Amino acid sequence: DGGITQSPKYLFRKEGQNVTLSCEQNLNHDAMYWYRQDPGQGLRLIYYSQIVNDFQKGDIAEGYSVSREKKESFPLTVTSAQKNPTAFYLCASWARGAYGYTFGSGTRLTVV
Amino acid sequence: QKEVEQDPGPLSVPEGAIVSLNCTYSNSAFQYFMWYRQYSRKGPELLMYTYSSGNKEDGRFTAQVDKSSKYISLFIRDSQPSDSATYLCAMSAGNQAGTALIFGKGTTLSVSS
Repeated sequence: DGGITQSPKYLFRKEGQNVTLSCEQNLNHDAMYWYRQDPGQGLRLIYYSQIVNDFQKGDIAEGYSVSREKKESFPLTVTSAQKNPTAFYLCASWARGAYGYTFGSGTRLTVV
Repeated sequence: QKEVEQDPGPLSVPEGAIVSLNCTYSNSAFQYFMWYRQYSRKGPELLMYTYSSGNKEDGRFTAQVDKSSKYISLFIRDSQPSDSATYLCAMSAGNQAGTALIFGKGTTLSVSS
């Protein structure tokens, strides 16, 4: 079945550590996105990529980094510069002419 | 003023009730309007998609867009406990891959049996 796979489902990070969240899609979608979801805040765009080897900052890119070396993969690194990383992270993809995004099941990141 | 406003609720209704969920927006360039349903600890799933103004019906769900008022609605008829979820409105000016959707904050709905 086609879809978006995010891993891990739960992730714990110590203060000062970088962590990488995985996002893989087999839908052959060109565009991929990372959103952060906090209670009462809705979905906020972190980064997005329209094609391989190209990506743009969203509204809250500080403290995050991404890469897009393959069409299928769009990993997100939460760096130690992100001061409040505890949140639910959602990856999404969109094909040209499609009706909106397809979302992954999310990764819950907690700083311990 | 935020681009998209959505009452976060929570909204509690008995089974069988008609539910009305709403969003307002400020950007007149928005042409594509979506409703997503998100169950707890899951990713959002697309529920309804509407282009420009008008109504769209799918089973118990009806989406309405009034561009003149910059107002969109989702109606749920004969609500069921399985409809208990957070409902997110989303919109964009285009539908090309690479367009970033703008989301409302979501309305949490609870349907009691």
